[in-house]
Amino acid sequence: GQQVMQIPQYQHVQEGEDFTTYCNSSTTLSNIQWYKQRPGGHPVFLIQLVKSGEVKKQKRLTFQFGEAKKNSSLHITATQTTDVGTYFCAVFTGGGNKLTFGTGTQLKVEL
Amino acid sequence: NAGVMQNPRHLVRRRGQEARLRCSPMKGHSHVYWYRQLPEEGLKFMVYLQKENIIDESGMPKERFSAEFPKEGPSILRIQQVVRGDSAAYFCASSLQSGTGNGYTFGSGTRLTVV
Repeated sequence: GQQVMQIPQYQHVQEGEDFTTYCNSSTTLSNIQWYKQRPGGHPVFLIQLVKSGEVKKQKRLTFQFGEAKKNSSLHITATQTTDVGTYFCAVFTGGGNKLTFGTGTQLKVEL
Repeated sequence: NAGVMQNPRHLVRRRGQEARLRCSPMKGHSHVYWYRQLPEEGLKFMVYLQKENIIDESGMPKERFSAEFPKEGPSILRIQQVVRGDSAAYFCASSLQSGTGNGYTFGSGTRLTVV
């Protein structure tokens, strides 16, 4: 079935540094979603990307969908301790009936 | 304007007992999804339900696990004869419509510990 790989698995940064996580698929995606899960918390929907080459911004977060719609990235500028958590990409599979999550990137921010 | 409500938040069961996890979707949402998350791992799809119907249960173990979403009341994920390997966080999500175009709203989860 459809699989999406995320890299890196873990990332430790100093506060103020930038952070990027990448999501890659072997097949063309109709769209892609991003979620954030704080430690001990539940996944929270961040955004959905649909169009080839689409770029969306939410404050310090920049989301990008590749031209071929096979990859996506989430970039955080000047990380803060509040950015700590695991970031998941997710795509619809099974005829669009279910959301399949990537492996996630765990971000730790050190002061 | 409550979100997705799951209870209990924490559940401890001895091996061989039954675990019943409840999920009330957001008001107006008729699509419910259950996911399992093992410690330090990702979210694994288990089952997708609409009112009184199981739409996709491809991620559900064939034995001991069942799910329902009755006409009235919450969705229930039931695990019979629990084993230690069932210890995980179980998340329920709901959406207004199925398929693309809709982000899922997740509940706070039920952390199941089997002792």
